[in-house]
Amino acid sequence: AQTVTQSQPEMSVQEAETVTLSCTYDTSESDYYLFWYKQPPSRQMILVIRQEAYKQQNATENRFSVNFQKAAKSFSLKISDSQLGDAAMYFCAYRSAWGNYQLIWGAGTKLIIKP
Amino acid sequence: EAGVTQSPTHLIKTRGQQVTLRCSPISGHTSVYWYQQALGLGLQFLLWYDEGEERNRGNFPPRFSGRQFPNYSSELNVNALELEDSALYLCASSLRVTAEAFFGQGTRLTVV
Repeated sequence: AQTVTQSQPEMSVQEAETVTLSCTYDTSESDYYLFWYKQPPSRQMILVIRQEAYKQQNATENRFSVNFQKAAKSFSLKISDSQLGDAAMYFCAYRSAWGNYQLIWGAGTKLIIKP
Repeated sequence: EAGVTQSPTHLIKTRGQQVTLRCSPISGHTSVYWYQQALGLGLQFLLWYDEGEERNRGNFPPRFSGRQFPNYSSELNVNALELEDSALYLCASSLRVTAEAFFGQGTRLTVV
């Protein structure tokens, strides 16, 4: 069975600085997807970025980028130029490419932005 | 284009009662997923529906059930409510052949 681990329950960063959130996962599959979702106090889960396991290139979406290390089963999220609106819970999630398509979630990291 | 919509947004039920939560997926999405987000337990997969069929269910008792209608909307039913069923219930939809799942705003269920 696949598992996802986020070892940082809480992180804080000064506004405009860069922060990295960690995620590791365990799987025996070779083809899968990884995601970072953001959940602000409004509760709605918002997709931040996705990564296909077969792609070596790290995904980037504006100020958000990932460091995907397939051999190490590591998938960290870097947020550059942090903004107050980035404050939220961040969840790392795994999805198989075949068969079961539900998401397997990490426990989440609460990101605090200091003004 | 409308996103995933869930109703109601909040509700309070008494232990032993039954509840039905509703979800309308993004237009064109055939897959609907239900997740439970309980305090201290994180996000747990409940049910996956695709093309009207239940494709998979998580490790939840049979009193959690649901269905998907021909228009791909979905209901989640919980019978014999227990206090530990208090949680945020999230619905997500996706195209089966793509990876992204898009979420609704959730239904906050409180069982007293």
